[in-house]
Amino acid sequence: AIQLTQSPSSLSASVGDRVTISCRASQGIAGALAWYQHKSGKAPKLLIYDVSTLEGGVPSRFSGSGSGTDFTLTISSLQPEDFATYYCQQFNTYPRTFGQGTTVEIK
Amino acid sequence: QVQLVESGGGVVQPGKSLRLSCAVSGLTFSSYAMHWVRQAPGKGLEWVAVISYDGSDKDSADSVKGRCTISRDNSKNTLYLQINSLRGEDTAVYYCARAPTAHDAFDVWGQGTKVTVSS
Repeated sequence: AIQLTQSPSSLSASVGDRVTISCRASQGIAGALAWYQHKSGKAPKLLIYDVSTLEGGVPSRFSGSGSGTDFTLTISSLQPEDFATYYCQQFNTYPRTFGQGTTVEIK
Repeated sequence: QVQLVESGGGVVQPGKSLRLSCAVSGLTFSSYAMHWVRQAPGKGLEWVAVISYDGSDKDSADSVKGRCTISRDNSKNTLYLQINSLRGEDTAVYYCARAPTAHDAFDVWGQGTKVTVSS
């Protein structure tokens, strides 16, 4: 199975900060990478797919980049509603795998 | 409005079986692949199983393979997950999720149903 390693596992940031989260795959995934936002007790939400394509309705402060095995989620200006846990996921092969998650907390 | 609503969770004894359901509305259910994903307490998301739009193709994670059956009834717009021989490590919130095809990301999710395996 393809392993996804996210870093950091958690971070503290202030409203307005620029935040970056990394995701490294154990092998190539042909650009089949997605990012999800998950708040406790809620349904996970798709933010980005195919590395950098923004899902409809997702604010433009979210962006994705990367290639090969290294990928990044960037939040350009953190908003109060962005405090949550973020997961990367590969959908190139089965079993589908997720990163271990990055929790963004209020500083 | 697209809605996925899971049900069937609860407290179950080890070794028993459970069937989870996911009722789908607001979309043409029979056009989409469907997945189950779970989150154990304090852990991250774990993919469990997938079924193609017509039920002809299925796959599951090694952690549940042989104990789990994913199925769907397109006439009832409902997805199912049967888990047998439940173990403590099956304790989790179980989510159903839609994918446009079996090769896509999961673009719509339910709110989850909680399963606790305990004696």
